[in-house]
Amino acid sequence: AQTVTQSQPEMSVQEAETVTLSCTYDTSESDYYLFWYKQPPSRQMILVIRQEAYKQQNATENRFSVNFQKAAKSFSLKISDSQLGDAAMYFCAYNYGQNFVFGPGTRLSVLP
Amino acid sequence: GAVVSQHPSRVICKSGTSVKIECRSLDFQATTMFWYRQFPKQSLMLMATSNEGSKATYEQGVEKDKFLINHASLTLSTLTVTSAHPEDSSFYICSALTGVSTEAFFGQGTRLTVV
Repeated sequence: AQTVTQSQPEMSVQEAETVTLSCTYDTSESDYYLFWYKQPPSRQMILVIRQEAYKQQNATENRFSVNFQKAAKSFSLKISDSQLGDAAMYFCAYNYGQNFVFGPGTRLSVLP
Repeated sequence: GAVVSQHPSRVICKSGTSVKIECRSLDFQATTMFWYRQFPKQSLMLMATSNEGSKATYEQGVEKDKFLINHASLTLSTLTVTSAHPEDSSFYICSALTGVSTEAFFGQGTRLTVV
């Protein structure tokens, strides 16, 4: 069965600094999708960034970028120029077909 | 992006009663919908996967008779918590797949409190 691991239960970053959240996963598939979702205090899940496994190029969305290492099954999220509004729970997720698996989450605090 | 509306956002019910939570895809047809339960400060726990017109597939340990899931149309799935007890109090979230995009779109969630 596929699993997603996030080894950092909590992280903190100074405003305007950069932080990297880690994620590893386990799968025997070769063509799948990876996501980072953000859950702010409102608890609405928001898609941050998506990566197709068949693409070697790392996805980027404004201040958010990923480091996708397929062989190592690693999918880290880098947040640059952190803002107070980035404070939230971040979930790494794996998708293959109808199978969606979420990691345990990392709670990010942004310090002013 | 696609919009998923979940209703109600909060509900309080008495122990022993049933409560229904609706999940609607507003601007797309949802081929698949998922129901999750989330405990405080924890991740999403998948309860069941439902496809329109067919029976839901429940995860191991989830009571089918207690958590009734119906996906009668391509835009609506419902979760009914039957004979609710205080231990059923939790945050329930639905999400939907469009069948085109691989992204899962989430409802706003429902906080259920059983008193």
